[in-house]
Amino acid sequence: DTAVSQTPKYLVTQMGNDKSIKCEQNLGHDTMYWYKQDSKKFLKIMFSYNNKELIINETVPNRFSPKSPDKAHLNLHINSLELGDSAVYFCASGRTGANYGYTFGSGTRLTVV
Amino acid sequence: GENVEQHPSTLSVQEGDSAVIKCTYSDSASNYFPWYKQELGKGPQLIIDIRSNVGEKKDQRIAVTLNKTAKHFSLHITETQPEDSAVYFCAASNQAGTALIFGKGTTLSVSS
Repeated sequence: DTAVSQTPKYLVTQMGNDKSIKCEQNLGHDTMYWYKQDSKKFLKIMFSYNNKELIINETVPNRFSPKSPDKAHLNLHINSLELGDSAVYFCASGRTGANYGYTFGSGTRLTVV
Repeated sequence: GENVEQHPSTLSVQEGDSAVIKCTYSDSASNYFPWYKQELGKGPQLIIDIRSNVGEKKDQRIAVTLNKTAKHFSLHITETQPEDSAVYFCAASNQAGTALIFGKGTTLSVSS
């Protein structure tokens, strides 16, 4: 009955590889997000999708490509991984309008070696 | 775009003391201000939020105040306990669906 679930929880991979992180929410929210948390704990928005439509695309290398097959899922695919991509990636979901609040997943710790 | 500043970056208190974390924001259109608690190895958890039509909100030992004119808001934790130790983040957004913009976090340590 997890509200926002991400898989995998840990991901260790070599430079140059391609990897995906999956996110699913069962809260009925209409908006989903990807955030990156660096080693200094700073949370930075990467992407936002509303009803499967890309709303926000911050300055993120185009090696990162989000995919939203339906409004309950938002996956993140990363091509040609670099050392600097090592971070914790959080998926979140929210509902626009008066009842506005985010729920975060538990994060995916990506380590590029 | 929105910019959120958060202070202090670290805060150490004795059990039972109060803790106050302050944030300022830059975009006058922002009208939603949540606070998140992040424990080690976990995702941020919403602990309290406030909207711009309210000046103060309280939930047991936690309270948040908002000064729209000065564009700042604060988190107050009273009677702190060791389990309050975590990283706390403030954030701001508007209800048009833009993403939350976070402050850089405050590491709170409560010693017994």
